[in-house]
Parts: sequence; C-alpha cells; structure tokens
Amino acid sequence: QVQLVQSGAEVKKPGSSVKMSCKASGGTFKNYALNWVRLAPGQGLQWVGGIIPLYGSTEYAPRFQGRVTITTDESTTMGYMEMSSLRSEDTAVYYCGRGGIAVPYWTPDIWGQGTMVTVSS
Amino acid sequence: EIVLTQSPGTLSLSPWERVTLSCRASQSISRGYLAWYQHKPGQAPRLLLSAASIRAPGIPDRFSGSGSGTDFTLTISGLEPEDSAVYYCQQYSTSPWTFGQGTRVEFK
Repeated sequence: QVQLVQSGAEVKKPGSSVKMSCKASGGTFKNYALNWVRLAPGQGLQWVGGIIPLYGSTEYAPRFQGRVTITTDESTTMGYMEMSSLRSEDTAVYYCGRGGIAVPYWTPDIWGQGTMVTVSS
Repeated sequence: EIVLTQSPGTLSLSPWERVTLSCRASQSISRGYLAWYQHKPGQAPRLLLSAASIRAPGIPDRFSGSGSGTDFTLTISGLEPEDSAVYYCQQYSTSPWTFGQGTRVEFK
C-alpha cells in the first residue's frame, strides 16, 4: 500500500524560496501524476500544479507560473515542489497527491500528510 | 479559468438526513470531468468521486454524484457522524484545474 510522506514544516522570510518533498513509500510516481494542492488559512483548496513523469509534462496554475517548479526523481521515488519569491499569502498547508491508473491523473486519491509553510518577517 | 461556485456555504443537519450539495461552473465542463472531495481539519483531502459520478476506490455507496455541462451535485444519502467536513468540487476539464470554495457540512 503506497503512502506519501511529506517533509516537515518550514518557516521562511518574504522573498525567499522553499523546497518541499513528497516520498512515495512503497510505490512510485512513474505511471502517475504528482499534484500539489494548498490550503491557506480561511480559504479553500487551491491547485498549484502537477507533473506526469511518464510524459515529462508539467502543468502550473497561472498564478504560480514562473514561481513554482515541480519535479520527480524516480531513483528515489521522491517528488518536489520549489516555490520562490515567497510572500505572506503563501502561508498555507501544502499537500502532495498522486493520481492516475485507478483515478484520473489530476484527481489524486493518495495524499501526503501536508507540509505547513509559514512566510513571515 | 473555470470558476466553480458551490452552494450552500454551510449546512447544519441531523444524522441520517439526505443532503444535496451543488457545484455550478462558469462554463461547460466537457466530458463531465468533475470530482468531489471531502476534507476534514488536520487531514488530507479524500477523493470521493471523479467523472461526476464514479466513486473512488473504497468510497461507500451513500456518496453519489450527477450532473453535466455546468451543473453538478453530490448527494449523501443517510448522513453519518463522520461525514462532518468541508466538501469541494474540482474541474479537470480545462487547465488550470480549479476547486470550488467548499460547502461545510456540520451537525446540529
């Protein structure tokens, strides 16, 4: 049974960058899509972007385009999301989710536990 | 981008009631590419349905979905105490994939 295990909480200064990880324990991202979704305080879920390693394709929500990079490393079954030029509005819990095969690529049914990112001066 | 509007914002219900949640899109969602999620505080989201009406693995049959075009619904027949959560719809027809703002289901 695959589990997604995310890296720990981060506290960052405005203008800095953060790189968080998501490990597919007992599985892989190879034939799936890795999605990143966030939940900011008082707001709803927001899709950030995703990657399908099999096709080498990435998709990003326009509001994050140019600030976010999503990658995977099949040798370590790790996924990553790096976000730059952080601002206070990026304070949120970031979830990784895997979709594909049993469900559509962009509707994850396996999720990580979330990584809390706090952006504060 | 496609804007999804969910209604109502909050529902206060009793156990075993039947509830219908609405999700309306700003433009037609082709091929019915709409999903529903359940999200509880401190937990990861849980995929309930994709393609408007196909239950994800392990989802009980009290959760059902319907709709096409711009109007979709999630029905929970026989609310159970563990169903207290925020429910989101998501379209994956037109990039960027977008979520609705959520409907909170709580018990009286």
